[in-house]
Amino acid sequence: GAGVSQTPSNKVTEKGKYVELRCDPISGHTALYWYRQSLGQGPEFLIYFQGTGAADDSGLPNDRFFAVRPEGSVSTLKIQRTERGDSAVYLCASSPLLGETQYFGPGTRLLVL
Amino acid sequence: KQEVTQIPAALSVPEGENLVLNCSFTDSAIYNLQWFRQDPGKGLTSLLLIQSSQREQTSGRLNASLDKSSGRSTLYIAASQPGDSATYLCAVSGGGATNKLIFGTGTLLAVQP
Repeated sequence: GAGVSQTPSNKVTEKGKYVELRCDPISGHTALYWYRQSLGQGPEFLIYFQGTGAADDSGLPNDRFFAVRPEGSVSTLKIQRTERGDSAVYLCASSPLLGETQYFGPGTRLLVL
Repeated sequence: KQEVTQIPAALSVPEGENLVLNCSFTDSAIYNLQWFRQDPGKGLTSLLLIQSSQREQTSGRLNASLDKSSGRSTLYIAASQPGDSATYLCAVSGGGATNKLIFGTGTLLAVQP
């Protein structure tokens, strides 16, 4: 079946602009995660959704970052007033139930100029 | 705060060799541990998941072990092939209400033909 998909695959923007990153999880997966990976580092947790609600947003770096999952499936990560330090690969993962294997998408590579 | 370390950072071996990748974590109160593979410019592929109550998991030429009390896991790759070349990431979860993953920085493996 289809895996986790993310769009766009690459995004180049200018400092100060607003961006939206989309994640389509595997059908039926209730748990959805966003992670951020900087060059040469492992992914770092940003936010976790169980269904429609953000159950844990403790990894969001500041209030410029926000994510939604209005219908419990697709999720959008929103970044306002982008900064050069936001440049990274943003990864989305989903799992059938809490505690099970997390399946990752290919990521969105964000470059802020 | 949980910290995950992977040694070595990079490894180069000739084709056919057996090899071991190491992962250590500072807090033994984990829920599970996952090993992932990441190819350049790609997302993460889950290789093995070990629950905290388990000692090892096997899949084909891969065997992962877990010693929770000492905070260590190893990934053993038998009869390495050039197609095994990738970055291998170890991640632990503390379970609870989130099951967010905490990653190491990875081991970059090159298998020379």
